[in-house]
Amino acid sequence: ETGVTQTPRHLVMGMTNKKSLKCEQHLGHNAMYWYKQSAKKPLELMFVYSLEERVENNSVPSRFSPECPNSSHLFLHLHTLQPEDSALYLCASSFMDRAGNTIYFGEGSWLTVV
Amino acid sequence: TQLLEQSPQFLSIQEGENLTVYCNSSSVFSSLQWYRQEPGEGPVLLVTVVTGGEVKKLKRLTFQFGDARKDSSLHITAAQPGDTGLYLCAGYMDSNYQLIWGAGTKLIIKP
Repeated sequence: ETGVTQTPRHLVMGMTNKKSLKCEQHLGHNAMYWYKQSAKKPLELMFVYSLEERVENNSVPSRFSPECPNSSHLFLHLHTLQPEDSALYLCASSFMDRAGNTIYFGEGSWLTVV
Repeated sequence: TQLLEQSPQFLSIQEGENLTVYCNSSSVFSSLQWYRQEPGEGPVLLVTVVTGGEVKKLKRLTFQFGDARKDSSLHITAAQPGDTGLYLCAGYMDSNYQLIWGAGTKLIIKP
């Protein structure tokens, strides 16, 4: 069983659809992350949840809405996306107690907006 | 301007050759990490370097952290097709819990 699992692995959605990405971690970590990965660009941190606190990147459009019901589960709700939002969305988890911690990634969800 | 610049962006070489990829910055990092991402997978941590001048070896891979903790390199000896992937460097700056990422070097090793 992998430490961080993401579903679905592939998603094609229209610009008017509502969909959600799901992530679950089995590592006992206290922090979870959503990253966006586009070709030839650095990983973009979208959201971080640490215990009860959400750290949000101010440049993330409101059409992306995260939800963290507990320390093991993380969702990314998607609504009225644009074609430029097509990318690989990576979930990750770690211990959030000091810099230098290892981040463990899921396999990613490939999103195509048509 | 990216805080961490990786070069080259793309490298394609024959099996058995040696190569070095670089991760450079004008800023100081408390630690740097190297990840490898294979197609269809998420990034996987290879190594963390924390001390200026530190050298770590992982089989045929040699990682070095610059003396001033502003740059790092990854050297692969006798590259194998299994080394193919996207190599990402990422670093923590002092007093910051968020990783800063480079854009990656896409490496292809041809049999």
